[in-house]
Amino acid sequence: DAGITQSPRHKVTETGTPVTLRCHQTENHRYMYWYRQDPGHGLRLIHYSYGVKDTDKGEVSDGYSVSRSKTEDFLLTLESATSSQTSVYFCAIQGGPSYEQYFGPGTRLTVT
Amino acid sequence: KNEVEQSPQNLTAQEGEFITINCSYSVGISALHWLQQHPGGGIVSLFMLSSGKKKHGRLIATINIQEKHSSLHITASHPRDSAVYICAVKSGTDKLIFGTGTRLQVFP
Repeated sequence: DAGITQSPRHKVTETGTPVTLRCHQTENHRYMYWYRQDPGHGLRLIHYSYGVKDTDKGEVSDGYSVSRSKTEDFLLTLESATSSQTSVYFCAIQGGPSYEQYFGPGTRLTVT
Repeated sequence: KNEVEQSPQNLTAQEGEFITINCSYSVGISALHWLQQHPGGGIVSLFMLSSGKKKHGRLIATINIQEKHSSLHITASHPRDSAVYICAVKSGTDKLIFGTGTRLQVFP
């Protein structure tokens, strides 16, 4: 298994509260990604990072921010959670000789 | 129209059957991934290929770059193969474009 973990694994929060999800890797890979997965949609990219302090937006970035102060950690923040952000969030890292992406176990977030 | 289309969306099979899942894409790509996701589970990379064919156990993936099409085959299917299979393409950048997945159920 690629050394990638996510925390928390499950979270229930109320509308309007800030939420931070953490992705941690032990592989020292440069690229890290945050996706959301919803029924009827493929995985959709929220934000990604190509190095410490280097991040860029994906296709569904509104309402989300990210930070990467260390190679191993990539944080996703929902600034003011809404019910439309109820989803399963996956982190991924990219590296190795073939530059494959490896996925974390996911975080199930429910916004009530 | 999605840039990555998978068919069928849902597939049921009896144990032992040969299964084919298709992926068509409309963009130029540098690589194509096949991923597997079990119910409630994480996402596992099965193959990454940019040409030809790859085989791992009972799984075979092929790609035809000219036709912009890839297939994932499962030989001698088993109930433990029941999962969602996801096709994703890498197009020009370090980002993936995902299909919506094919849900496979294999019954004993």
